[in-house]
Amino acid sequence: EAGVAQSPRYKIIEKRQSVAFWCNPISGHATLYWYQQILGQGPKLLIQFQNNGVVDDSQLPKDRFSAERLKGVDSTLKIQPAKLEDSAVYLCASSRTGRVNTEAFFGQGTRLTVV
Amino acid sequence: AQTVTQSQPEMSVQEAETVTLSCTYDTSESDYYLFWYKQPPSRQMILVIRQEAYKQQNATENRFSVNFQKAAKSFSLKISDSQLGDAAMYFCAYRSYNTDKLIFGTGTRLQVFP
Repeated sequence: EAGVAQSPRYKIIEKRQSVAFWCNPISGHATLYWYQQILGQGPKLLIQFQNNGVVDDSQLPKDRFSAERLKGVDSTLKIQPAKLEDSAVYLCASSRTGRVNTEAFFGQGTRLTVV
Repeated sequence: AQTVTQSQPEMSVQEAETVTLSCTYDTSESDYYLFWYKQPPSRQMILVIRQEAYKQQNATENRFSVNFQKAAKSFSLKISDSQLGDAAMYFCAYRSYNTDKLIFGTGTRLQVFP
């Protein structure tokens, strides 16, 4: 099966600009995660969707970050306006729900540099 | 809230030797999953091994095995016969049985020397 697709792979923007990242999960995966991974750190969960509903967004900086998952498939993460500290890799992952096949599959990530 | 702690920022091992990476976690849930993921410089996160908390038997996948101590909330990864290709960041992760929330530790960078 095709893996998790993310685009773009790299993005450089100036502070205060806006940026959007796109994720296409594996077909049939109801759960979708967005993570922020700052260089040298572990992935930090920003938001978790189940189908098109938000399960957890407790660590999403809602004053500047937003995310949506249209029709329970593709998802977009947006930052507006960007700050220097938003420079990181943004990872998208998807998995089946329930208590079998619990593995989460990851995309290759988008490296964002804010200058 | 659940937390995952990896206290070893870096580890090194010689090729063909054995190395153990440590992980502790905190949760009030009785059922959950634990994982070790590998992240090479390419950034692609790859599953190494998984453990269901309700299973007492430690998981094994070829050269990779875990030591799961539920009461101590400890989940270490043992890599036997280390290979140069094992060099990467290794992340311990916890997944809630109830909510599917998946959280990660801070990672351990493993270096493998010839």
